[in-house]
Amino acid sequence: AQKVTQAQTEISVVEKEDVTLDCVYETRDTTYYLFWYKQPPSGELVFLIRRNSFDEQNEISGRYSWNFQKSTSSFNFTITASQVVDSAVYFCALSVLYSSASKIIFGSGTRLSIRP
Amino acid sequence: GAVVSQHPSRVICKSGTSVKIECRSLDFQATTMFWYRQFPKKSLMLMATSNEGSKATYEQGVEKDKFLINHASLTLSTLTVTSAHPEDSSFYICSAKNGQEDATEAFFGQGTRLTVV
Repeated sequence: AQKVTQAQTEISVVEKEDVTLDCVYETRDTTYYLFWYKQPPSGELVFLIRRNSFDEQNEISGRYSWNFQKSTSSFNFTITASQVVDSAVYFCALSVLYSSASKIIFGSGTRLSIRP
Repeated sequence: GAVVSQHPSRVICKSGTSVKIECRSLDFQATTMFWYRQFPKKSLMLMATSNEGSKATYEQGVEKDKFLINHASLTLSTLTVTSAHPEDSSFYICSAKNGQEDATEAFFGQGTRLTVV
């Protein structure tokens, strides 16, 4: 069975602080994809990143960075110099099959609040 | 990027009526679409996988007769909440995968907030 755990239910930091959102996943498959999505109050899901299981390189995109470690089954997300606009619910997700029918399993989400 | 349009974005209906939610892939063909349900401050729970031209595959615990899914074309899937009750009030989101490209990336609709009164 596949599972995604986001242990942090809510995080609140002051603007300009760095914040890391944790994600731990479980799967017996050797081939899988990991995702991060942002859900602002409007409700729509905003795609942030996709990483396949064979690519453990960390990635940086502006103020966002991701640390993928297969040894600990973790795919953590760091926001540097946070801004109020970063306030949202962030979901980590897992997809285990290379096919159009593969479904995405979501973690419970972390509600991030950035205080001015 | 690929666009998935979901309609309506909000709907309020009376208890006992049925509501249809549409999910369209605007610039690609989606052989598979997914329907998720999200309770307030909760995660997205997969309800069913919608396959074009065949019956949907429902997740355990999801009532097939309650949540009717039709995927009649490669660009449209519909979710009908039949005989809706207040406990069906929720946020419903669809997603679609482009069958012609990298099938691991799913594109999500804007979501539909259903309120049953």
